[in-house]
Parts: sequence; C-alpha cells; structure tokens
Amino acid sequence: NAGVTQTPKFQVLKTGQSMTLQCAQDMNHEYMSWYRQDPGMGLRLIHYSVGAGITDQGEVPNGYNVSRSTTEDFPLRLLSAAPSQTSVYFCASSYRRDRGGTYEQYFGPGTRLTVT
Amino acid sequence: RKEVEQDPGPFNVPEGATVAFNCTYSNSASQSFFWYRQDCRKEPKLLMSVYSSGNEDGRFTAQLNRASQYISLLIRDSKLSDSATYLCVVKPWAGTALIFGKGTTLSVSS
Repeated sequence: NAGVTQTPKFQVLKTGQSMTLQCAQDMNHEYMSWYRQDPGMGLRLIHYSVGAGITDQGEVPNGYNVSRSTTEDFPLRLLSAAPSQTSVYFCASSYRRDRGGTYEQYFGPGTRLTVT
Repeated sequence: RKEVEQDPGPFNVPEGATVAFNCTYSNSASQSFFWYRQDCRKEPKLLMSVYSSGNEDGRFTAQLNRASQYISLLIRDSKLSDSATYLCVVKPWAGTALIFGKGTTLSVSS
C-alpha cells in the first residue's frame, strides 16, 4: 500500500490563482480530512468526509472547497488564493479500528504552499 | 477555552530523563484520545491511543482521566531520537474528525 499520497509537494501561487491539492489513499478508509498547519497555530481542520459523497466543514473552511466522489480521493480546491493561505497542508485518512471507537489516522507527507 | 490545550514547552531534557506531558480537553463527551508525534517538517504519526485504564508501550505510558478531562504522556529513559513535537489529539464523537492540540516540543540532549 502507498498509504496516503499528496501532490504536489511544493507549490507557489500568485494571489487570485486557483488550484487543487490532490489527496489519495489506497487503504479503503472511510474517513478523510484536510488540515493546515501554521507556526504557533497547530493543526487546524479545514474540511472532512465520513464517506464518499459526504463532506463537512471543519474549523477553517473559508476559501476552500472539497468533494468526495470516490472512497480513494479527496481533493482540496483553493478558489482564489490569498497570502493568508500560505501554509503546510496535510491530508489524512482514518478508519475505525474497534467497536470502542478507536480511530487510527494516517497522514500524507504534506503540501507546502506559498501564496505571493 | 480551546478544545485541546497543551503546554507548548519546549521541554529540554538530558538523555535518560523522565519527562511528562499534559493535555486538557473541553468536550466531556469526547470518545477517543491519542498522542501523535511530529518530527520537524514531517507529517504527524500516531504514537499511541489512550485508554481509560491507562496503557503502556515500551518507554511510553499514557493516562486518561475522564473526570478531570486530562490526558498525560510519560516518557521514561529519554533518547535523542525522542526529540520531536508531541500532539495531544481528541475525537469528540462518532463521525467527526480529530481535534489536535498545538503540540509540546521535546528536545533531548546528550
């Protein structure tokens, strides 16, 4: 298994440009999430999905769209990039390990995005 | 009150030391609890789940106190390779994503 893969690893955008960060997992996990990580802020949840066709907003969803048409893929779209979106973006997938509700979450290697 | 709060540190300890990290969470209905480890410029990785009865994995011991909404991680006999940021993580309820604390930085020196 490749686990969770993200592309690209690095990206520089100009203000106003749009782009899609790709995320894929081959572990058949039901849950997928997008986080951004900024210095001093920790990991903040952008959007998440509990299954194909179902998405929901996290803590910082503004300026981002997601869709989940398949179990494997969960792309994150930046509609009109702003310097405030300069960050490291992590995609994650998880599954319910036991009936007690223990979930194991696996992260992709991240995308480092700079918006100028 | 933040959902998950941690002392950011940094904790600077010599090799062989015992160090403890604490974490508090605000949602009393939270279901699951974890400690993740994150190395510099890398993705977070699951270190261990935290169970109500407490659990141990080698040099690492995790404790959960639901009444106080408090989670701890104890690292015994610290190694240089333990240097990292340790993230306290809570899953509020079924169908939701994980909530991360900002992390506690540990630096182990020789």
